[in-house]
Amino acid sequence: AQSVAQPEDQVNVAEGNPLTVKCTYSVSGNPYLFWYVQYPNRGLQFLLKYITGDNLVKGSYGFEAEFNKSQTSFHLKKPSALVSDSALYFCAVRDRAAGNKLTFGGGTRVLVKP
Amino acid sequence: NAGVTQTPKFQVLKTGQSMTLQCAQDMNHNSMYWYRQDPGMGLRLIYYSASEGTTDKGEVPNGYNVSRLNKREFSLRLESAAPSQTSVYFCASSEKRQEGSYNSPLHFGNGTRLTVT
Repeated sequence: AQSVAQPEDQVNVAEGNPLTVKCTYSVSGNPYLFWYVQYPNRGLQFLLKYITGDNLVKGSYGFEAEFNKSQTSFHLKKPSALVSDSALYFCAVRDRAAGNKLTFGGGTRVLVKP
Repeated sequence: NAGVTQTPKFQVLKTGQSMTLQCAQDMNHNSMYWYRQDPGMGLRLIYYSASEGTTDKGEVPNGYNVSRLNKREFSLRLESAAPSQTSVYFCASSEKRQEGSYNSPLHFGNGTRLTVT
């Protein structure tokens, strides 16, 4: 069975500092990996995905993520955080061998302080 | 372009009551999903519909039923609500570009906040 772990419930960072949100996954086959962001009282919004190819993926709002197969990780990063990046972030995985089911991590709340 | 629209936004039910959550998408997507979101547990898949005319159980289907009414609409029904079904429910859709290809991102509605007392 596939699974996703986000080891940090909350990440606090000062505005202008680098932001990292951690994600590790477990699948039996090759993964499709996704990051989503959720603002208060809204649905999740897609940020970026890894399908194949370059391990560094660039997405919306200046976010990027690095796929590391040996560590089974897909950490989300932003070089310089903004107060407006404060939100709930979810990592998700699809096992290519398991079809259309997407498994989400428990979410990490990011708080960027001015 | 409305995307994914969910109704109602809020609902309070008494134990044993029934209700249907409505979802419609205007992006001509093939696949639709119902998730529930509970604190610290991320999103858990209740049911999904890979294409019009098909539905499949997800991770937590007990106590729910679904109907894929047409390509646009996918409803979720609670036949006899229980307090354990208090949650935020999200509908989502995705475009399945080709058979066996599931790398399309999901597009989410803004959710229905359900309280069962």
